[in-house]
Amino acid sequence: ILNVEQSPQSLHVQEGDSTNFTCSFPSSNFYALHWYRWETAKSPEALFVMTLNGDEKKKGRISATLNTKEGYSYLYIKGSQPEDSATYLCAFDSNYQLIWGAGTKLIIKP
Amino acid sequence: EPEVTQTPSHQVTQMGQEVILRCVPISNHLYFYWYRQILGQKVEFLVSFYNNEISEKSEIFDDQFSVERPDGSNFTLKIRSTKLEDSAMYFCASTPRTGGQETQYFGPGTRLLVL
Repeated sequence: ILNVEQSPQSLHVQEGDSTNFTCSFPSSNFYALHWYRWETAKSPEALFVMTLNGDEKKKGRISATLNTKEGYSYLYIKGSQPEDSATYLCAFDSNYQLIWGAGTKLIIKP
Repeated sequence: EPEVTQTPSHQVTQMGQEVILRCVPISNHLYFYWYRQILGQKVEFLVSFYNNEISEKSEIFDDQFSVERPDGSNFTLKIRSTKLEDSAMYFCASTPRTGGQETQYFGPGTRLLVL
């Protein structure tokens, strides 16, 4: 059974501070690793699709890295803002389905 | 910007009743998916659909479930005889092209409560 783990489960960060969290996934049969941002009552919003070992992608203050050999990805947020408060989900792409982590709930304290 | 829509946003039903959850994928997308999230648990893949047939399905997607694309825009998930454990948030997603490595665009979900 393929398993995707995210840590920490939740995180409180002071506004302006930077933070990061982890997604661990199987290192075999890898097609891609997806990061999503999900606010309550809204659609999960795609952040990144990462495919190559060593990939680093950036979108504004958010960036992500990928290590497929050891099976982990980090998501970084620089200079956290209140609007960054959300649950961040990663999903392991096994070609035709996404296998999800439980998410990291990020709360930004003003 | 085009988006995936889902109706209804909430549905309450009695155990044993049939429910149909509706999704309108982004118009030029070809691959469609259903996922669910039971409260407090991880999001789970149910089924993928392409060219009017199921591409992949999970163990969860048993004979009680079916999917259909009845016209050029809607993509539906039917649960024939709902059980209490079917209570969950159901998400629809679509992608423009085949297979993995594609960003899946999600709808806002339908929260189903089975009593």
